Amino acid sequence: KAGVTQTPRYLIKTRGQQVTLSCSPISGHRSVSWYQQTPGQGLQFLFEYFSETQRNKGNFPGRFSGRQFSNSRSEMNVSTLELGDSALYLCASSFSRGAGELFFGEGSRLTVL
Amino acid sequence: GIQVEQSPPDLILQEGANSTLRCNFSDSVNNLQWFHQNPWGQLINLFYIPSGTKQNGRLSATTVATERYSLLYISSSQTTDSGVYFCAVTRPGGSQGNLIFGKGTKLSVKP
Repeated sequence: KAGVTQTPRYLIKTRGQQVTLSCSPISGHRSVSWYQQTPGQGLQFLFEYFSETQRNKGNFPGRFSGRQFSNSRSEMNVSTLELGDSALYLCASSFSRGAGELFFGEGSRLTVL
Repeated sequence: GIQVEQSPPDLILQEGANSTLRCNFSDSVNNLQWFHQNPWGQLINLFYIPSGTKQNGRLSATTVATERYSLLYISSSQTTDSGVYFCAVTRPGGSQGNLIFGKGTKLSVKP
């Protein structure tokens, strides 16, 4: 079956703009999580959605937001982009929220100029 | 919070050599996964191993939860094994979607 799909794969924005990233989880998976990866901070948890509700949120400013739709697809939005938001944004899905594996997409690489 | 430490941070091997990557964690954990990040950035699942030993081809992993460490073994390494290997855990009671990652081990396999 198809894996986790993220779009767009690459994008370039300028400071002050906003960006929306999309994630389609593996079919049947109901939980979607987002991570930010930068050379300096490594992989950091952004937020987790399950049944259209945000269940957990990492230590990021309010400019980072997300949502999940009834078909489990998820979007994340970053407003008022800053240079430091340049990163690889990874989406992951799992069947539930308990014990089990997390599966990642190929990521969306954002460059902020 | 839980700290995840991976060692060594960098490893250079000759093709055909064996290696052991280590992951130490500071507290009890639930889920533990090993990933390989490919050159395009995708995290590829290697093992889901909260405890015990698993093998998949040339790779195997062991987690000793009571002693708070996990090991990833790579035998007869190939150039395609190059990349960054991450260990990630969740805290007890935490969701599997909220992984805490180590900083990774960067492996370079030379032909």
